[in-house]
Amino acid sequence: GAGVSQTPSNKVTEKGKYVELRCDPISGHTALYWYRQSLGQGPEFLIYFQGTGAADDSGLPNDRFFAVRPEGSVSTLKIQRTERGDSAVYLCASSLTTGGGNEQFFGPGTRLTVL
Amino acid sequence: DQQVKQNSPSLSVQEGRISILNCDYTNSMFDYFLWYKKYPAEGPTFLISISSIKDKNEDGRFTVFLNKSAKHLSLHIVPSQPGDSAVYFCAASANSGTYKYIFGTGTRLKVLA
Repeated sequence: GAGVSQTPSNKVTEKGKYVELRCDPISGHTALYWYRQSLGQGPEFLIYFQGTGAADDSGLPNDRFFAVRPEGSVSTLKIQRTERGDSAVYLCASSLTTGGGNEQFFGPGTRLTVL
Repeated sequence: DQQVKQNSPSLSVQEGRISILNCDYTNSMFDYFLWYKKYPAEGPTFLISISSIKDKNEDGRFTVFLNKSAKHLSLHIVPSQPGDSAVYFCAASANSGTYKYIFGTGTRLKVLA
């Protein structure tokens, strides 16, 4: 079946602009996660959805970052007033549910470059 | 504060030999551990996992060993193949693997033909 997909694959924007990154999880997966990977680092947790609600947004770096999942499937990560330090690969993952044995499946990521 | 550490940024191994990738963690609340493999321009791909109630889990050429007292785990790949060349990330989670994975910085493995 289809895996996790993310669009766009690359996004170049200017400092101060607003961007939206989209994630389509695997069909039937109730749990959805956003991570951010900076150069030379491992993925860093941002936010986790169980269904439509954000169960844990403790990883969002500040209030410029926001994510939604209105129908419990597709999710959008929104970044306002982008800064150069936001440049990274944004990864989305989904899992059937949570807990051991329900490993997270990752999409290919969106590479965000803020000029 | 890096809770999951992979101290070797890179490793080169001859084809057919064993590859051993290491990972250390500091948080004693972690009870579920995973290894992911990542090729360039792709997302991480799940490889193998282990619960803290076990000390070994094997899947084909891949075996993960967990030493809880040392807070150390390792991934063994035997025999190594050129297609195994990738970046390997160790990840840990508390609460029986519930949602939040903490990743290490990765080890780039190169298997030489």
